[in-house]
Parts: sequence; structure tokens; C-alpha cells
Amino acid sequence: GQNIDQPTEMTATEGAIVQINCTYQTSGFNGLFWYQQHAGEAPTFLSYNVLDGLEEKGRFSSFLSRSKGYSYLLLKELQMKDSASYLCAVGGSYIPTFGRGTSLIVHP
Amino acid sequence: KAGVTQTPRYLIKTRGQQVTLSCSPISGHRSVSWYQQTPGQGLQFLFEYFSETQRNKGNFPGRFSGRQFSNSRSEMNVSTLELGDSALYLCASSLDWDNTGELFFGEGSRLTVL
Repeated sequence: GQNIDQPTEMTATEGAIVQINCTYQTSGFNGLFWYQQHAGEAPTFLSYNVLDGLEEKGRFSSFLSRSKGYSYLLLKELQMKDSASYLCAVGGSYIPTFGRGTSLIVHP
Repeated sequence: KAGVTQTPRYLIKTRGQQVTLSCSPISGHRSVSWYQQTPGQGLQFLFEYFSETQRNKGNFPGRFSGRQFSNSRSEMNVSTLELGDSALYLCASSLDWDNTGELFFGEGSRLTVL
């Protein structure tokens, strides 16, 4: 089975940097994914890591350490529109298993 | 290209009733998966279909069922509704499970059971 942990809620200031951590314990691993979900909207894909290291995509970066069962999503130059829930998901044989999500609140 | 379409967007039912939700995937996508989302449990996997076959199933009771048609459209059904079934039901589609993990979600069907 899969066990995925991430903080329930985080707050940060506009313009700052925030790191959202995700730890996982899985019986099989086929990549780690991050999704963003604004209130009342569908989740949208942010990133995918299958090898150790950092993947950068604009203001967002995602890191993976498979030996530690650990990932983080780094958001730079925070904007108000980044207020959303961030879902960590671990891929298994087919469909990824999602964590409960981290609600990020960005304030001025 | 049109996204994933789910209908109805909102519905209210009473305990004991049954409900059918519909999902039209992105054109060309053959894999459709369903999730239940609640504040307490997050996104929980219900089942996944590919080419009209259920390939994976989550840990939900038999009251939850689904199917996929030859045009890849999918339906899920919940029978004998309980209060705890109140949730947002999300459908996601992808070409196939190809390890990139990019699922395309619909906006969901919000079910309220009274």
C-alpha cells in the first residue's frame, strides 16, 4: 500500500519562497507527482519526478530523494494566485495515490 | 481541444437513493479514473477503466460501481446512498498510464446526500 504525508496547511507572504514537503512509504514506486487545485476547481498537473534531484519549471521546482522517501515542491516569488491546495501523489502500477493535500495561503 | 466534462456538476439526493455520474474524457484518451474527494480524506481512488475494462479498483464498498463505453465515456453509480457519500467526485483521463502521471481532471460532480 501507499502512505503519503504532507502538512495540512501553510501560510506565506507574497513575494516569498515556500517549500511544501511530502514523505511517502510505498510498496512500489513509479514516480512522484505534484498537482495544484484551486478552490472549486479541478486539480492540474504541476510536475513529475522519477529520478533523484531537482526539476525546475519557472517559479516552481520539485525535488525527489527516493532513498529517503521524500519530495518537496518549492514555490518562488509567491503570488496571491498561488493560494491553493497542493497535492503530492505517488505513482504505482497504474493510477497515482494522492496525499490529503497542503492548503497554501498567500497573504499580502 | 475540449477538456474532461463531468455531469451533473451539482446534485442533491436523499439516503437510500442511487445516483449516476457521467464523465466524457478528452478526445483520444482511453484511460478514465474516478476519485472521491472529501475534506477529511483527500483524494481517494475509486476505480480506473481502459478500453471498457476495469483495470484497478480502490477500497470502496460494492455500492460504488462504474463502467466505460466504447467511446471511452464513463459512468459511475452509487447505490443505496449514505450521508458519508457526500463528496466531490472527480473524473480524470489520460492517453494511458504512461508513467508521466499527467492526469487531466474534470471539475467534478458535487454530491450532497441528505
